[in-house]
Amino acid sequence: GENVEQHPSTLSVQEGDSAVIKCTYSDSASNYFPWYKQELGKRPQLIIDIRSNVGEKKDQRIAVTLNKTAKHFSLHITETQPEDSAVYFCAARNTGGFKTIFGAGTRLFVKA
Amino acid sequence: EAQVTQNPRYLITVTGKKLTVTCSQNMNHEYMSWYRQDPGLGLRQIYYSMNVEVTDKGDVPEGYKVSRKEKRNFPLILESPSPNQTSLYFCASSRQGANTEAFFGQGTRLTVV
Repeated sequence: GENVEQHPSTLSVQEGDSAVIKCTYSDSASNYFPWYKQELGKRPQLIIDIRSNVGEKKDQRIAVTLNKTAKHFSLHITETQPEDSAVYFCAARNTGGFKTIFGAGTRLFVKA
Repeated sequence: EAQVTQNPRYLITVTGKKLTVTCSQNMNHEYMSWYRQDPGLGLRQIYYSMNVEVTDKGDVPEGYKVSRKEKRNFPLILESPSPNQTSLYFCASSRQGANTEAFFGQGTRLTVV
């Protein structure tokens, strides 16, 4: 079946450094790629998304890049802060409907 | 306040005892969905609904049922729960259209003993 692979599963960085999380999807019909942040004990919340007709999107310290040819998209967090510590999920949704496939998640630790 | 509300937040039940987890949204969203979250597996889609009376299976539908009689409600039904359905469950909703943000409920932690 369709799947989304996410790497790494755990990432530890020093405060102020950058963090990069990578995802690869298999469904060629995917055209919407959201990223969610989940803090401990809370619900996932959207932090940024990108559509298939765009190669890059940036929102302050967060950016996402998409390579449709390679079926690959990445989340970049610059100048990391301790409050960025959380689990991050990538996802891919296809054009046909609402079926969404999530990656397994990346636990990010930002050390002060 | 725009929100997705799940109930209950926590539930411990015994094998085989039917249960329902309710989900309600006040944003007039067409799309609703149920996920289960397990360590190392991320969020896996159980069922989704594109509108009233329109539902479809996600990746892990076995052992679950849903219904969408009203636009705002999308209950998840476990007719005969088993221990392997112990998990954290999330309901989500979004506007019509493939490229729209999903809003998640607070989650329901279910334990089946």
